[in-house]
Amino acid sequence: DTEVTQTPKHLVMGMTNKKSLKCEQHMGHRAMYWYKQKAKKPPELMFVYSYEKLSINESVPSRFSPECPNSSLLNLHLHALQPEDSALYLCASSRQGKYTFGSGTRLTVV
Amino acid sequence: AQSVTQPDIHITVSEGASLELRCNYSYGATPYLFWYVQSPGQGLQLLLKYFSGDTLVQGIKGFEAEFKRSQSSFNLRKPSVHWSDAAEYFCAVGASGGSYIPTFGRGTSLIVHP
Repeated sequence: DTEVTQTPKHLVMGMTNKKSLKCEQHMGHRAMYWYKQKAKKPPELMFVYSYEKLSINESVPSRFSPECPNSSLLNLHLHALQPEDSALYLCASSRQGKYTFGSGTRLTVV
Repeated sequence: AQSVTQPDIHITVSEGASLELRCNYSYGATPYLFWYVQSPGQGLQLLLKYFSGDTLVQGIKGFEAEFKRSQSSFNLRKPSVHWSDAAEYFCAVGASGGSYIPTFGRGTSLIVHP
């Protein structure tokens, strides 16, 4: 298995909703990442987990809450988002510099 | 901190023509360099990477890139472009010393004319 699987592929949520994005990999990678990508822009790093511990938080607002329940799973919990949070959210995992990206979740906040 | 410049926002080529996408990086030590491709609505796929060794790197889909330290460049090339190569291309630099985490350039959109 050489993939990073993200679910759901599309998500529409209201500003008062709570939702979660899920990311899964079975490549034995011990580093996992969340990126945010706005249209026509490069991906921006949000969080890094290394060996299931949060190692980098790029000053992301608290309405985004990451969780790494085990070495294969990475979640991103969403609460009270704003319309400007609408974007493609990409998950990635890596080992020895080789990164594998998922296809992303297209999030729309209404 | 490392940074990447992709000077071309759009590049238009005819199918079958050769391609070169430019990338310049800024980093104090020997960088780790990557090229990724992204089709609309998709995630990023790694085309190739340079960590050390031979400065001419071969990647997937017939792409290659050359690391030139004197010019701080890592340009991506392909001898003959196919219509399916139309996509967004991102150059990225990672910090050496362990973390590798890539910092992306703004991307170059490749348009292929038949």
